[in-house]
Amino acid sequence: DTAVSQTPKYLVTQMGNDKSIKCEQNLGHDTMYWYKQDSKKFLKIMFSYNNKELIINETVPNRFSPKSPDKAHLNLHINSLELGDSAVYFCASSFDTGPSGNTIYFGEGSWLTVV
Amino acid sequence: SQQGEEDPQALSIQEGENATMNCSYKTSINNLQWYRQNSGRGLVHLILIRSNEREKHSGRLRVTLDTSKKSSSLLITASRAADTASYFCATPIIQGAQKLVFGQGTRLTINP
Repeated sequence: DTAVSQTPKYLVTQMGNDKSIKCEQNLGHDTMYWYKQDSKKFLKIMFSYNNKELIINETVPNRFSPKSPDKAHLNLHINSLELGDSAVYFCASSFDTGPSGNTIYFGEGSWLTVV
Repeated sequence: SQQGEEDPQALSIQEGENATMNCSYKTSINNLQWYRQNSGRGLVHLILIRSNEREKHSGRLRVTLDTSKKSSSLLITASRAADTASYFCATPIIQGAQKLVFGQGTRLTINP
C-alpha cells in the first residue's frame, strides 16, 4: 500500500488556469508538507500542516492555497497558473516535528507543466 | 541562502567503487538526514544522524558528522548500478516550527 499518495502524477495546463493536487497519507502521521522541486533539483518547503493546522507558510504567492480537511489529507490548489509554476510538487508527511528529528515520507511527486 | 549544500554536484564512478558525498550546513543542528531520489521518483529517507553522534552505519552506507566543521559525509561502499540516484542532505531549522531544509543534491551515476 502506498504510504503517501498524490494525484495527479502529471499535469499539463495552460497559463491562467486553476488546478489542484491532492495528497493522502495512511501512515497515521500528524504533520504533512508540500515541497516544490525546481528544474535544478532544488527542493524547497512551501507549507506544513500539523493536525490540520497551518504551521509553516513560506514566502509563497497567495495563488497557492493549501487545504487540510483532516490530518490524513493535504491538498494544494493553485490559481492563475504561471509559467514559473512549472515544477515537481511533492507531498510529504511525518510524525510531529519535535526537536529530536523525524523522518519525512515523500509521495512520488506531481509533475506540473504550465504552457 | 541554502542551509545545506552538497558537494560534488555530480559524481560518476565505476560499479564496485566507493562513492563519497559531502554536505555542509550553516546553523547549529540537532540532527542531519540523508535522502535518496531515483529519477522520476520521490525522496526516500536513508539515515538520520544526531548531533551527538560522529558516525553511523546502515548496510553499505556510512555517514559521518562533524559539528565543529558543520559538515557531513555519506559514503556508499561497493557501489551498484541501482545506487544511481540523487542524494540529498537535510537539516532542520526552527523558525516558529521545525522544518527540514534540503540541499541541492549530488547526482551519482554508477557505470557498469
